[in-house]
Amino acid sequence: SQKIEQNSEALNIQEGKTATLTCNYTNYSPAYLQWYRQDPGRGPVFLLLIRENEKEKRKERLKVTFDTTLKQSLFHITASQPADSATYLCALARTYGNEKLTFGTGTRLTIIP
Amino acid sequence: DSGVTQTPKHLITATGQRVTLRCSPRSGDLSVYWYQQSLDQGLQFLIQYYNGEERAKGNILERFSAQQFPDLHSELNLSSLELGDSALYFCASSVMVDNSPLHFGNGTRLTVT
Repeated sequence: SQKIEQNSEALNIQEGKTATLTCNYTNYSPAYLQWYRQDPGRGPVFLLLIRENEKEKRKERLKVTFDTTLKQSLFHITASQPADSATYLCALARTYGNEKLTFGTGTRLTIIP
Repeated sequence: DSGVTQTPKHLITATGQRVTLRCSPRSGDLSVYWYQQSLDQGLQFLIQYYNGEERAKGNILERFSAQQFPDLHSELNLSSLELGDSALYFCASSVMVDNSPLHFGNGTRLTVT
Protein backbone atom coordinates (compact mmCIF):
# COMPACT_ATOMS: atom_id res chain seq x y z
CA SER A 1 0.00 0.00 0.00
CA GLN A 2 1.03 3.60 -0.47
CA LYS A 3 2.87 5.10 2.45
CA ILE A 4 4.40 8.48 3.35
CA GLU A 5 6.78 8.59 6.31
CA GLN A 6 8.34 11.62 7.93
CA ASN A 7 11.55 10.83 9.71
CA SER A 8 10.54 11.44 13.26
CA GLU A 9 7.67 12.71 15.30
CA ALA A 10 9.79 15.37 16.95
CA LEU A 11 13.07 17.13 16.24
CA ASN A 12 14.92 19.59 18.49
CA ILE A 13 17.48 21.90 16.89
CA GLN A 14 19.65 24.64 18.38
CA GLU A 15 18.86 28.14 17.17
CA GLY A 16 21.05 29.17 14.25
CA LYS A 17 21.64 25.61 13.04
CA THR A 18 20.13 23.98 9.98
CA ALA A 19 17.09 21.81 10.56
CA THR A 20 16.65 18.92 8.12
CA LEU A 21 13.36 17.05 7.87
CA THR A 22 12.85 13.91 5.83
CA CYS A 23 9.88 12.64 3.86
CA ASN A 24 10.06 9.12 2.44
CA TYR A 25 7.41 7.48 0.33
CA THR A 26 6.72 3.98 -0.98
CA ASN A 27 4.47 2.64 -3.72
CA TYR A 28 4.03 6.10 -5.12
CA SER A 29 4.94 7.83 -8.33
CA PRO A 30 4.16 11.39 -7.33
CA ALA A 31 3.78 14.11 -9.89
CA TYR A 32 4.91 16.61 -7.26
CA LEU A 33 5.49 17.08 -3.57
CA GLN A 34 4.46 19.95 -1.30
CA TRP A 35 5.59 21.04 2.16
CA TYR A 36 3.30 22.72 4.66
CA ARG A 37 3.74 24.23 8.10
CA GLN A 38 1.11 23.76 10.80
CA ASP A 39 0.94 25.63 14.09
CA PRO A 40 -1.15 24.26 17.01
CA GLY A 41 -4.86 24.77 16.49
CA ARG A 42 -4.39 26.22 13.00
CA GLY A 43 -4.71 24.93 9.47
CA PRO A 44 -1.61 23.97 7.48
CA VAL A 45 0.08 26.74 5.52
CA PHE A 46 1.70 26.04 2.15
CA LEU A 47 5.48 26.58 1.98
CA LEU A 48 7.00 25.05 -1.13
CA LEU A 49 6.19 22.80 -4.07
CA ILE A 50 8.67 20.72 -6.06
CA ARG A 51 7.86 18.81 -9.24
CA GLU A 52 9.05 15.32 -10.14
CA ASN A 53 11.51 16.68 -12.71
CA GLU A 54 13.05 19.21 -10.29
CA LYS A 55 15.93 18.37 -7.98
CA GLU A 56 15.88 21.37 -5.69
CA LYS A 57 13.77 24.41 -4.83
CA ARG A 58 14.62 27.37 -2.61
CA LYS A 59 12.66 30.11 -0.90
CA GLU A 60 14.48 32.44 1.47
CA ARG A 61 15.85 30.21 4.28
CA LEU A 62 13.98 27.14 3.03
CA LYS A 63 15.29 24.50 0.64
CA VAL A 64 13.58 21.35 -0.61
CA THR A 65 15.16 18.49 -2.52
CA PHE A 66 13.34 15.70 -4.33
CA ASP A 67 15.02 12.40 -5.22
CA THR A 68 12.60 10.16 -7.12
CA THR A 69 15.17 7.34 -7.20
CA LEU A 70 15.51 7.29 -3.42
CA LYS A 71 11.81 8.17 -3.10
CA GLN A 72 12.72 10.90 -0.66
CA SER A 73 12.38 14.62 -0.10
CA LEU A 74 14.50 16.63 2.30
CA PHE A 75 13.31 19.93 3.76
CA HIS A 76 15.96 22.27 5.15
CA ILE A 77 15.58 25.41 7.26
CA THR A 78 18.86 27.29 7.50
CA ALA A 79 19.73 29.76 10.29
CA SER A 80 16.80 28.38 12.26
CA GLN A 81 14.88 30.63 14.64
CA PRO A 82 12.49 29.86 17.54
CA ALA A 83 9.67 31.20 15.32
CA ASP A 84 10.31 28.25 12.98
CA SER A 85 9.03 25.89 15.69
CA ALA A 86 5.97 24.13 14.26
CA THR A 87 4.86 20.85 12.73
CA TYR A 88 5.96 20.38 9.13
CA LEU A 89 3.97 18.18 6.77
CA CYS A 90 4.90 16.79 3.39
CA ALA A 91 2.18 15.95 0.90
CA LEU A 92 2.22 14.04 -2.38
CA ALA A 93 -0.12 13.89 -5.34
CA ARG A 94 -0.05 11.48 -8.22
CA THR A 95 -1.63 13.90 -10.66
CA TYR A 96 -1.31 17.57 -11.42
CA GLY A 97 -4.82 18.40 -10.24
CA ASN A 98 -4.21 18.03 -6.49
CA GLU A 99 -6.55 15.08 -6.55
CA LYS A 100 -6.30 13.12 -3.34
CA LEU A 101 -3.29 15.06 -2.10
CA THR A 102 -2.01 12.78 0.65
CA PHE A 103 -0.22 14.08 3.72
CA GLY A 104 2.44 12.56 5.92
CA THR A 105 1.93 12.57 9.68
CA GLY A 106 4.34 15.44 10.18
CA THR A 107 7.47 16.26 12.14
CA ARG A 108 7.19 18.54 15.16
CA LEU A 109 10.20 20.84 15.03
CA THR A 110 11.36 22.80 18.09
CA ILE A 111 14.10 25.39 17.77
CA ILE A 112 15.85 25.83 21.09
CA PRO A 113 17.12 29.36 21.87
CA ASP B 1 -5.21 34.82 6.80
CA SER B 2 -5.79 32.10 4.17
CA GLY B 3 -9.14 33.52 3.05
CA VAL B 4 -10.89 30.22 3.81
CA THR B 5 -13.62 30.49 6.42
CA GLN B 6 -14.91 27.57 8.42
CA THR B 7 -17.84 27.61 10.83
CA PRO B 8 -18.37 26.79 13.57
CA LYS B 9 -14.94 26.78 15.21
CA HIS B 10 -16.02 24.38 17.91
CA LEU B 11 -18.86 21.89 18.09
CA ILE B 12 -19.79 19.63 20.97
CA THR B 13 -22.50 17.08 20.41
CA ALA B 14 -23.67 13.67 21.58
CA THR B 15 -23.30 10.28 19.97
CA GLY B 16 -25.95 9.52 17.39
CA GLN B 17 -26.45 13.15 16.45
CA ARG B 18 -25.96 14.86 13.10
CA VAL B 19 -23.94 18.02 12.45
CA THR B 20 -23.14 20.23 9.48
CA LEU B 21 -19.79 21.93 9.00
CA ARG B 22 -19.57 24.88 6.64
CA CYS B 23 -16.75 26.17 4.49
CA SER B 24 -16.39 29.29 2.35
CA PRO B 25 -13.45 28.97 -0.02
CA ARG B 26 -10.98 31.68 -0.90
CA SER B 27 -12.33 34.12 -3.47
CA GLY B 28 -11.72 32.74 -6.95
CA ASP B 29 -11.00 29.16 -5.86
CA LEU B 30 -13.21 26.58 -7.53
CA SER B 31 -11.98 23.49 -5.72
CA VAL B 32 -12.81 22.57 -2.14
CA TYR B 33 -11.29 19.75 -0.11
CA TRP B 34 -12.26 18.27 3.25
CA TYR B 35 -9.73 16.68 5.57
CA GLN B 36 -10.05 15.07 8.99
CA GLN B 37 -7.20 15.36 11.49
CA SER B 38 -7.07 13.28 14.62
CA LEU B 39 -4.11 12.79 16.96
CA ASP B 40 -3.31 9.27 15.87
CA GLN B 41 -4.15 9.52 12.16
CA GLY B 42 -2.77 12.78 10.88
CA LEU B 43 -4.52 14.60 8.04
CA GLN B 44 -6.85 12.22 6.22
CA PHE B 45 -8.35 13.23 2.88
CA LEU B 46 -12.12 12.87 2.83
CA ILE B 47 -13.49 14.37 -0.37
CA GLN B 48 -12.88 16.99 -3.06
CA TYR B 49 -15.29 19.08 -5.11
CA TYR B 50 -14.58 21.16 -8.15
CA ASN B 51 -17.09 23.76 -9.29
CA GLY B 52 -19.98 21.88 -7.73
CA GLU B 53 -19.02 18.39 -8.88
CA GLU B 54 -17.45 15.66 -6.78
CA ARG B 55 -13.91 15.18 -8.08
CA ALA B 56 -12.19 12.71 -5.77
CA LYS B 57 -13.08 10.63 -2.76
CA GLY B 58 -10.86 9.42 0.04
CA ASN B 59 -11.60 7.48 3.16
CA ILE B 60 -14.95 9.09 3.77
CA LEU B 61 -17.42 7.07 5.81
CA GLU B 62 -20.89 6.38 4.44
CA ARG B 63 -22.27 8.32 7.43
CA PHE B 64 -20.53 11.41 6.07
CA SER B 65 -21.58 13.37 3.00
CA ALA B 66 -20.64 16.65 1.43
CA GLN B 67 -21.72 19.02 -1.27
CA GLN B 68 -20.56 22.17 -2.98
CA PHE B 69 -23.19 24.78 -3.77
CA PRO B 70 -23.46 27.11 -6.81
CA ASP B 71 -21.87 29.93 -4.79
CA LEU B 72 -18.95 27.50 -4.21
CA HIS B 73 -19.34 27.20 -0.46
CA SER B 74 -19.31 23.64 0.81
CA GLU B 75 -20.91 21.71 3.64
CA LEU B 76 -19.79 18.50 5.28
CA ASN B 77 -22.57 16.54 6.95
CA LEU B 78 -21.70 14.03 9.64
CA SER B 79 -24.47 11.76 10.91
CA SER B 80 -24.92 8.99 13.48
CA LEU B 81 -21.90 10.42 15.22
CA GLU B 82 -19.59 8.17 17.19
CA LEU B 83 -16.95 8.99 19.79
CA GLY B 84 -14.26 8.21 17.22
CA ASP B 85 -15.51 10.99 14.97
CA SER B 86 -14.08 13.55 17.40
CA ALA B 87 -11.40 15.36 15.43
CA LEU B 88 -10.43 18.57 13.70
CA TYR B 89 -12.12 18.93 10.33
CA PHE B 90 -10.33 21.14 7.83
CA CYS B 91 -11.56 22.62 4.64
CA ALA B 92 -9.09 23.76 2.00
CA SER B 93 -9.51 25.42 -1.35
CA SER B 94 -7.39 25.85 -4.44
CA VAL B 95 -7.50 27.33 -7.90
CA MET B 96 -6.86 23.81 -9.20
CA VAL B 97 -4.59 24.64 -12.06
CA ASP B 98 -1.16 23.07 -12.40
CA ASN B 99 -0.14 22.13 -8.87
CA SER B 100 -1.73 25.05 -7.10
CA PRO B 101 -1.24 24.89 -3.33
CA LEU B 102 -4.06 24.27 -0.90
CA HIS B 103 -5.26 27.09 1.33
CA PHE B 104 -6.62 25.75 4.59
CA GLY B 105 -9.14 27.18 6.99
CA ASN B 106 -8.51 26.95 10.72
CA GLY B 107 -10.81 24.00 11.11
CA THR B 108 -13.83 22.95 13.10
CA ARG B 109 -13.05 21.07 16.28
CA LEU B 110 -15.73 18.44 16.75
CA THR B 111 -16.14 16.76 20.11
CA VAL B 112 -18.57 13.87 20.37
CA THR B 113 -19.52 12.96 23.94
